[in-house]
Amino acid sequence: GEDVEQSLFLSVREGDSSVINCTYTDSSSTYLYWYKQEPGAGLQLLTYIFSNMDMKQDQRLTVLLNKKDKHLSLRIADTQTGDSAIYFCAESISTALIFGKGTTLSVSS
Amino acid sequence: DTAVSQTPKYLVTQMGNDKSIKCEQNLGHDTMYWYKQDSKKFLKIMFSYNNKELIINETVPNRFSPKSPDKAHLNLHINSLELGDSAVYFCASSQSELADNWRAEQYFGPGTRLTVT
Repeated sequence: GEDVEQSLFLSVREGDSSVINCTYTDSSSTYLYWYKQEPGAGLQLLTYIFSNMDMKQDQRLTVLLNKKDKHLSLRIADTQTGDSAIYFCAESISTALIFGKGTTLSVSS
Repeated sequence: DTAVSQTPKYLVTQMGNDKSIKCEQNLGHDTMYWYKQDSKKFLKIMFSYNNKELIINETVPNRFSPKSPDKAHLNLHINSLELGDSAVYFCASSQSELADNWRAEQYFGPGTRLTVT
């Protein structure tokens, strides 16, 4: 079945790097996504990666994809307090996104 | 200019009532979605709809029904509300169906927090 797994919590200090990990099950997913949800808000697409890529960098964000192990990670460099939010990994299955349970990132100053 | 809007933002109602949540997108997208986020922040797809077909997540009770008066709107009707329906409901839209199309980025509305008492 479809399942996307993430660790639920991550706590880092301001200025450190954050790495959020995700595993997914459907090897036919063409795109994999990272969404950010700030408190009381909707979801915002942060970045996505095509399944034939193994890395994508976008400013402070680096996405790594290990297709063999079905493992996706999001690295946030120089983490700021404004990065505190829930981060959802998602894979596209047919007509919709299947989300992980979300990783709550807490950044302390 | 809000891309995907939902009304109401908050909805408090009693068990057994029937309610609707409205969603509108002004992006010209042709596919719209409803997601449910429970108290543990778990997000699950409920429906996806374009002008061709409605795809229903089989776990969604038939008390929930999406209705699309036109391409820009997908409203969610809920009959006989139950305590377990309390959640945040998100509407989303995309240019086309997600499969094999990176341009089908989903844009999410701000959510409607439904509380059933």
